[in-house]
Amino acid sequence: DTEVTQTPKHLVMGMTNKKSLKCEQHMGHRAMYWYKQKAKKPPELMFVYSYEKLSINESVPSRFSPECPNSSLLNLHLHALQPEDSALYLCASSPHRADMRYEQYFGPGTRLTVT
Amino acid sequence: SQQGEEDPQALSIQEGENATMNCSYKTSINNLQWYRQNSGRGLVHLILIRSNEREKHSGRLRVTLDTSKKSSSLLITASRAADTASYFCATEGNYGQNFVFGPGTRLSVLP
Repeated sequence: DTEVTQTPKHLVMGMTNKKSLKCEQHMGHRAMYWYKQKAKKPPELMFVYSYEKLSINESVPSRFSPECPNSSLLNLHLHALQPEDSALYLCASSPHRADMRYEQYFGPGTRLTVT
Repeated sequence: SQQGEEDPQALSIQEGENATMNCSYKTSINNLQWYRQNSGRGLVHLILIRSNEREKHSGRLRVTLDTSKKSSSLLITASRAADTASYFCATEGNYGQNFVFGPGTRLSVLP
């Protein structure tokens, strides 16, 4: 199974809501990533988990809170978001720590709209 | 902290033609990767090339790396309508970050 799954596919939330994005992989990968991608822009790295520990936080606002309950699951908890946070949120995984020697496997993304 | 810069930003070609996209970067790198993204979907890894390699092939794809010019190119031969997508290079960033993506090239292959 070489698939990364993400749920939900689409999410509309108000600025006072709390919601979560979920990502799952069963490839035995030990590094998992969250990216944010605005329209016609490249993905921007948000967080990296390596062996279930947060290893990189690219100065992301605290209204985004990542969680890695186990080696197969990655969550992104959202609270008090702003309209400018509307974007495609991509999850990815790779065999080991965040390392350019390994390719990343991406999920299809969650399209988030903040109203 | 953008590292890779693709050019052209957009490219339209006819089916059967070759498409060449370029990626330039500023600081020394150990590895460079190319990804494809169909509209609004996840990225798919195409090729990884290491700094000690000059060229790699995968099917209709050919990637070159010129570390002296700090640039890489992706060539797609005999393009098909299904190749229509955005193509991104990913490199190590200026401050040691990993997976810094360039702005991408939007390729349209017309039937």
